[in-house]
This record gives sequence, C-alpha cells and structure tokens, in this order.
Amino acid sequence: DADVTQTPRNRITKTGKRIMLECSQTKGHDRMYWYRQDPGLGLRLIYYSFDVKDINKGEISDGYSVSRQAQAKFSLSLESAIPNQTALYFCATSDLGGTGVNEQFFGPGTRLTVL
Amino acid sequence: GQNIDQPTEMTATEGAIVQINCTYQTSGFNGLFWYQQHAGEAPTFLSYNVLDGLEEKGRFSSFLSRSKGYSYLLLKELQMKDSASYLCAVRERDAGNMLTFGGGTRLMVKP
Repeated sequence: DADVTQTPRNRITKTGKRIMLECSQTKGHDRMYWYRQDPGLGLRLIYYSFDVKDINKGEISDGYSVSRQAQAKFSLSLESAIPNQTALYFCATSDLGGTGVNEQFFGPGTRLTVL
Repeated sequence: GQNIDQPTEMTATEGAIVQINCTYQTSGFNGLFWYQQHAGEAPTFLSYNVLDGLEEKGRFSSFLSRSKGYSYLLLKELQMKDSASYLCAVRERDAGNMLTFGGGTRLMVKP
C-alpha cells in the first residue's frame, strides 16, 4: 500500500467551482505539505503544516486554503477555481525538518484542469 | 529568498555518463536534495548533501561545494529508464527548513 495517497487523481472542473483535494499518509510523519507543479517552474509550496494545530502559508497561497483534520490527513481547497490554477498538485510528508536527511515523501499527484 | 538554477534539458546516450549541475544562492543553507521524477509521476528522493564532497549511491553520485553554491548529480552507465526530470532542492534554515526547488532538468537517454 502507498504511504502517501491523494484523491482524486484527476479532476476537471469549471471556473468558479469549489474543489477539495485530499491527502492521507500512513508514515506517521508530523509535517505535511502541498505543492503545485507547472511546466518549467518546478514545485512551488502552497501551504505546509508541522502538526494538527499548525498551518503556514507557502510561496503561493493566494486562492487556496487548507485543513489539517488529523495527523494523517491534510486537504487543500480551491474556494473558487480559476483557469490558471490548472496544474499538477502534490502532497508530501516528512519527519522533523531541521537535522538529518528527513527527505520529503510525495503522493502520486492530482492533475487538476479548470475550464 | 533563494535562486536555484539548473539546465532545462539534457540529452545523453545509453551507457554513458552525464552530469547535471545545480547552482544556488541562499542564506542559512541546511542541505541540498536531488529528486528524480518520471513524467506524470511523483518525485522520488535520490540523494542528500549537507557537507562538502561526494556522496555515492550505486550508479548515482552527488557532489556539493557550499562555498561555491554548487552541486551536481552524476549518473553513470545510463539506462533508458533514467530518462526523467531531475530536481535540485535546497533546504534553508532561515525559511523554516522548507525546501525550495529548481525548475528541474529533463534528461533524455537515447539508444
């Protein structure tokens, strides 16, 4: 079974609709992240959470919100989707970030298209 | 903030060696990561450097020079399955130990 799962894997929606992307992990990690990936721009951080009570904005949080429902679940919402939010979205998890490797583990991604 | 640069695309021949470079500007450097990402799939961790020098893992090696803000990923005995994007990412203490990713280098391995 995959350690980090994302649902849905693909979604096509219309401008103005509310969309929620969900992420679950079985790695027992405290830290969870949401990224978006656009061609040529690499991965950009949207939001991150260090534990259930901790939510932080990343580089490109405008137009997005998140909810950390439990240690294992972190969801991303687009309140009113717009076409330039069409992208590949990844959830990731990691253990403590400061010392040691503590690499991030990525989910399989959600391909979102906003028409 | 950070500035991370890596070539957009590279092409190499099966069985050969290829070096993918990454340069960065940062404060509070706290580690450099390389990830591999096949088209449409999740990035997977390849290597980590925090001290200067070479880290070797099978066919893959990664080098770091902190004074030069420079790293490279070396892939030996290239195989067709190595065709993928390679992402350089820097962890910065002053940014809460978050990762900042470069744009990625798409490597095409030809027979």
